[in-house]
Amino acid sequence: DQQVKQNSPSLSVQEGRISILNCDYTNSMFDYFLWYKKYPAEGPTFLISISSIKDKNEDGRFTVFLNKSAKHLSLHIVPSQPGDSAVYFCAASDRGSRLTFGEGTQLTVNP
Amino acid sequence: DGGITQSPKYLFRKEGQNVTLSCEQNLNHDAMYWYRQDPGQGLRLIYYSQIVNDFQKGDIAEGYSVSREKKESFPLTVTSAQKNPTAFYLCASTRHNTGELFFGEGSRLTVL
Repeated sequence: DQQVKQNSPSLSVQEGRISILNCDYTNSMFDYFLWYKKYPAEGPTFLISISSIKDKNEDGRFTVFLNKSAKHLSLHIVPSQPGDSAVYFCAASDRGSRLTFGEGTQLTVNP
Repeated sequence: DGGITQSPKYLFRKEGQNVTLSCEQNLNHDAMYWYRQDPGQGLRLIYYSQIVNDFQKGDIAEGYSVSREKKESFPLTVTSAQKNPTAFYLCASTRHNTGELFFGEGSRLTVL
């Protein structure tokens, strides 16, 4: 039972344009959501998070949007840079429980 | 510098052998986790520990064992009972039960 799903295995965008990565979840008890970035042969690094009491959180070029009614969150990267090319994982937790991760989306930013 | 250290980075094992992956953290974090990454399947939780001398099974614990004798250390043993052990293994820790996880660099295990 995949409670967190990233339906796009890959995404390719041009440098300077917007990257939008999507994530859907099924567990309505999830109340905290995170995005991680992962380069090959390295561990994931934390990027940005959002609590269920908010619908938007921004940190520099990165913005996460949460639509609780649709059980959907998205990560926007503006402007996209070649160094942003990596696998992005979304993750969710339920009231302090362990994190559940999505399958990941490979983002490629072309110069 | 504070962080999580996993070793070895690469490991080869013959079928039928047990192997232990090391994970050490100096972040003074209470909770530690082991994940497995396979292509197209994201990160799946193997075991986690919220306190010394206590640990719980994750979603795919069969064929694995762990111990938590010290706060800083959470080794993972991949036993011969694990049917498909070739994977990239990630150790993580956090001060609280949830929130931001800090990951190690990973260990790639290949069974020959």
